[in-house]
Amino acid sequence: QKEVEQNSGPLSVPEGAIASLNCTYSDRGSQSFFWYRQYSGKSPELIMFIYSNGDKEDGRFTAQLNKASQYVSLLIRDSQPSDSATYLCAVILGGTDKLIFGTGTRLQVFP
Amino acid sequence: EADIYQTPRYLVIGTGKKITLECSQTMGHDKMYWYQQDPGMELHLIHYSYGVNSTEKGDLSSESTVSRIRTEHFPLTLESARPSHTSQYLCASSEGAKQPQHFGDGTRLSIL
Repeated sequence: QKEVEQNSGPLSVPEGAIASLNCTYSDRGSQSFFWYRQYSGKSPELIMFIYSNGDKEDGRFTAQLNKASQYVSLLIRDSQPSDSATYLCAVILGGTDKLIFGTGTRLQVFP
Repeated sequence: EADIYQTPRYLVIGTGKKITLECSQTMGHDKMYWYQQDPGMELHLIHYSYGVNSTEKGDLSSESTVSRIRTEHFPLTLESARPSHTSQYLCASSEGAKQPQHFGDGTRLSIL
């Protein structure tokens, strides 16, 4: 079992819809969770980070963390074609400082 | 916005050459990292540093070496480049080990 798992996609949504990206992690002691956006050929860009159970909103983005179920999700409201990218989930394992990246989910937003 | 810079952005060079990829940050971050990423593939940590004179190998074995003589500077060196080193190299820094990492624009390296 991988430490951080994501569906590789592609996830295709129409413009204006809500895109829901999911990530599960294996280490129950993990404390810090991050979402990065990576356009093809570019470097990862931090979108959101969340440390506590519940929701955290920033503009069109909402990160949701459920430690009991060991998943973290990213919702993108009013999806735009410019949101088309690979979204990387990253988790710092409990008891360590290691940041582990998932393989990413490719999102396609079509007009 | 993170201020972390990598040079060169692109490098095409022949086998056997010595290469140094530069990474600098102006935020005073103690923690710095090097990742390797092939197109469409996941990120792999190859080196990290928690401060001056501190360097550690990451999860992916790499023939590269790093140094950390100054807080702001974390160069990566390949003594003798080979085609298998062709990849994208990404540098990142963070304020603390559990804080978000911010990435530079990367160096796309091609060894002929």
